[in-house]
Amino acid sequence: GAVVSQHPSWVICKSGTSVKIECRSLDFQATTMFWYRQFPKQSLMLMATSNEGSKATYEQGVEKDKFLINHASLTLSTLTVTSAHPEDSSFYICSARIGGSNNEQFFGPGTRLTVL
Amino acid sequence: GESVGLHLPTLSVQEGDNSIINCAYSNSASDYFIWYKQESGKGPQFIIDIRSNMDKRQGQRVTVLLNKTVKHLSLQIAATQPGDSAVYFCAENWGSGGSYIPTFGRGTSLIVHP
Repeated sequence: GAVVSQHPSWVICKSGTSVKIECRSLDFQATTMFWYRQFPKQSLMLMATSNEGSKATYEQGVEKDKFLINHASLTLSTLTVTSAHPEDSSFYICSARIGGSNNEQFFGPGTRLTVL
Repeated sequence: GESVGLHLPTLSVQEGDNSIINCAYSNSASDYFIWYKQESGKGPQFIIDIRSNMDKRQGQRVTVLLNKTVKHLSLQIAATQPGDSAVYFCAENWGSGGSYIPTFGRGTSLIVHP
């Protein structure tokens, strides 16, 4: 149980285009989802925390107009990288948490974004 | 956690040896800690967790030690195997219940030689 999927697993796009990444909790309802970015050989950096039905909370330095997050249902959150540039190339990972007193996060397999 | 953005330290061990991976955390208010294993190109996998009211917790072949005085965590892997080769991250959490916000440490790359 507690499986989180991401789609696509990898994407290559041209500079200036927008890319949408989906994060789904397959067998549980996630009240909170997190989006992380990871550059090669570095740690996971939290970008934003998303609660179902409300606006995402972005970490300092993360542009909310560039990284649009929508958590429209208890099983789906999307991250849209708008007007992507080569410096946005990274590994994007989501995680989902059931909520309440359960603190455990379940991570997706990640999405590799390459912007040409 | 440790500074994000720096390159990963590496620990090399021989198959069968015990491995100890260390992590310093930053927030004295953190009260829930998790160790994750991340293989190349994949998301993190949960290994073991510990709450601040404990100083040791054991799992299968893994033990986590918590020293709140010096804000230090360690992960011990017994009889390390080639399949244990991966990057290991600690994550600290603070907040309350469902409002926990996780922060990852810089990670350690474990290389197990057969």
